[in-house]
Amino acid sequence: RKEVEQDPGPFNVPEGATVAFNCTYSNSASQSFFWYRQDCRKEPKLLMSVYSSGNEDGRFTAQLNRASQYISLLIRDSKLSDSATYLCVSDSWGKLQFGAGTQVVVTP
Amino acid sequence: EADIYQTPRYLVIGTGKKITLECSQTMGHDKMYWYQQDPGMELHLIHYSYGVNSTEKGDLSSESTVSRIRTEHFPLTLESARPSHTSQYLCASSRDVDQPQHFGDGTRLSIL
Repeated sequence: RKEVEQDPGPFNVPEGATVAFNCTYSNSASQSFFWYRQDCRKEPKLLMSVYSSGNEDGRFTAQLNRASQYISLLIRDSKLSDSATYLCVSDSWGKLQFGAGTQVVVTP
Repeated sequence: EADIYQTPRYLVIGTGKKITLECSQTMGHDKMYWYQQDPGMELHLIHYSYGVNSTEKGDLSSESTVSRIRTEHFPLTLESARPSHTSQYLCASSRDVDQPQHFGDGTRLSIL
């Protein structure tokens, strides 16, 4: 079983709509969580760090549910430029573990 | 913006050549990492280092080797390149193991 699991998608989202997706992690002792964004053939870029119960940055909201061991990412008012693969990351046994990513496609 | 640099950005080279991919960071980070990623696929950790003279193999077995003689420099070497080594190689660094990693632009390697 992978340390971090994500629905690969794609999530097809009309421009202006809201999309949310989850990521589950297996190590209950994980303390640090991150969401990265990766565009096709580019490097991952940090979107936000998630500490305590969650974090919000503009149109992006991340929530952490420790009881069920998942982190969610919600994107409001989706823009065409939000089309990307979103990588969920948690620390596990002293290393960051990257999920395989969830693809989001925002359509006009 | 993170200050981590990879060279070359693109490399097309013949089988059997020795290749060194360069990665440098100016943030003074102790932790550095190499990932391999094929198009549309997930990241795989192939090497990491927690400081000078410290290197470890990652989760994915790789024929490449790394060295960490200076804090800011973490080169990856393939002694004899093969077509199966064709991939994108991403270097990253972080302040600590539970801190976010900052990635370089990557090296897209193609072995003919």
